[in-house]
Amino acid sequence: AQSVTQLDSHVSVSEGTPVLLRCNYSSSYSPSLFWYVQHPNKGLQLLLKYTSAATLVKGINGFEAEFKKSETSFHLTKPSAHMSDAAEYFCVVSVGYSSASKIIFGSGTRLSIRP
Amino acid sequence: EAGVTQFPSHSVIEKGQTVTLRCDPISGHDNLYWYRRVMGKEIKFLLHFVKESKQDESGMPNNRFLAERTGGTYSTLKVQPAELEDSGVYFCASSYRTSGTPLAKNIQYFGAGTRLSVL
Repeated sequence: AQSVTQLDSHVSVSEGTPVLLRCNYSSSYSPSLFWYVQHPNKGLQLLLKYTSAATLVKGINGFEAEFKKSETSFHLTKPSAHMSDAAEYFCVVSVGYSSASKIIFGSGTRLSIRP
Repeated sequence: EAGVTQFPSHSVIEKGQTVTLRCDPISGHDNLYWYRRVMGKEIKFLLHFVKESKQDESGMPNNRFLAERTGGTYSTLKVQPAELEDSGVYFCASSYRTSGTPLAKNIQYFGAGTRLSVL
C-alpha cells in the first residue's frame, strides 16, 4: 500500500538559512510524488511534482526536491528561507496510475521562519 | 481563470443540525474530489466524481454524508445530522480529465477549504 511519512511536524529556521522538510514514502511501484503548501486561509498550492523523469525536481519559489529510490525519500529543500515561506507543507503520493487515482497526504510539516 | 471555489469559508453549527458545503471546480475539469482534515490528523480522501458520476466514494465516513454533483459542474457535500467528530476542514479539488494519462500529469487544484465547527 502507498503511504507517506513526514518526519517533522514542525520545523523552525532563521531567515536566510537553508530549509529541509523530510518525507519518506512507501509504494509497491514507482510512485508519483508531490509537495503542496498551504498558507494561512489559503488553498493547497502545488509546489512541485516527481513524475519518473529527472530525480531532482525544481518547483516554485526556489524550492526543490530530490527523489531517492534507495532511501525511499523525497525531501523538500530551499537554500535560503524567506519570511513568506512560513506555511504548512504536505508531501503527497499518488495511488495508482490513472487519472482517476486518488492521492494520499502526509501529516504535514509546519514551517516557521525566525527573523 | 478562476480557481476552485468553496463556500462557506467557515460554518458553525450545533450537533444534530444539517450543513451543506459547496465546491465550484475550475471550468472544464471533469474530476472533482472531496477531502477532509480533522483536527490534528492527516488530510483524508472522501470521494471522487468524474463529471456527475461517483468514481470512488471509499473514503466517505458514514451515511450521514451525502455528496452530489448534478450536471457535472459544482458539487455539494451535505452532513445530516452533524456530529461533533465531523468538525474539521473540508477541501475540494478538481483536475482536468485526460483519459489514459497517468495521474502525474493530472494535477489536482485545491480550494481554500471550508472550516466546519460542530458544537
